Amino acid sequence: GESVGLHLPTLSVQEGDNSIINCAYSNSASDYFIWYKQESGKGPQFIIDIRSNMDKRQGQRVTVLLNKTVKHLSLQIAATQPGDSAVYFCAERMDSSYKLIFGSGTRLLVRP
Amino acid sequence: DTGVSQNPRHKITKRGQNVTFRCDPISEHNRLYWYRQTLGQGPEFLTYFQNEAQLEKSRLLSDRFSAERPKGSFSTLEIQRTEQGDSAMYLCASSPPANTDTQYFGPGTRLTVL
Repeated sequence: GESVGLHLPTLSVQEGDNSIINCAYSNSASDYFIWYKQESGKGPQFIIDIRSNMDKRQGQRVTVLLNKTVKHLSLQIAATQPGDSAVYFCAERMDSSYKLIFGSGTRLLVRP
Repeated sequence: DTGVSQNPRHKITKRGQNVTFRCDPISEHNRLYWYRQTLGQGPEFLTYFQNEAQLEKSRLLSDRFSAERPKGSFSTLEIQRTEQGDSAMYLCASSPPANTDTQYFGPGTRLTVL
């Protein structure tokens, strides 16, 4: 199949370990942040989101942390599984616009 | 399947030809977005519709590109006089009225211009 990202930073983890994917966002005025997972040949799949008035949000096996002081966003995946292998993108948006601005992706490889 | 659908999934065309892509959003989603993604990059915003009104357009959307959503349901994206630089994945997303934050993406249309 086609490749989503040919020269992306890669994080390789052992199955069962926790993964942390980091993202530096660009606009201190952004109000909303979101993480997507993208597998080869597919569109981005929503994982978890967070608004700027929060610093942490948890989902099933995933946690997003927001540090507005240093404009940093992270995605933590607990007990990483082979099915988590994909490219992960963070995106930001201001409430004055519906445009999502995507960061550069990170490829997650899960070793069995 | 109740997700966003896009057709065709793949399109190969010769330079100079016109192409049109279709997006069907999730039922009752009133907001619809088009993005373009090239290999190794994140999606880039092209345009946004609320119902049938086109409310936001990127400068990436040159005069060769036009998008419509005539009845506030499906949308079409047309590229006229295609160029090799138009080769990309064209992604459509939609959002419901109750949660305008989250955008749900379709599988995309892969365009190759020869």
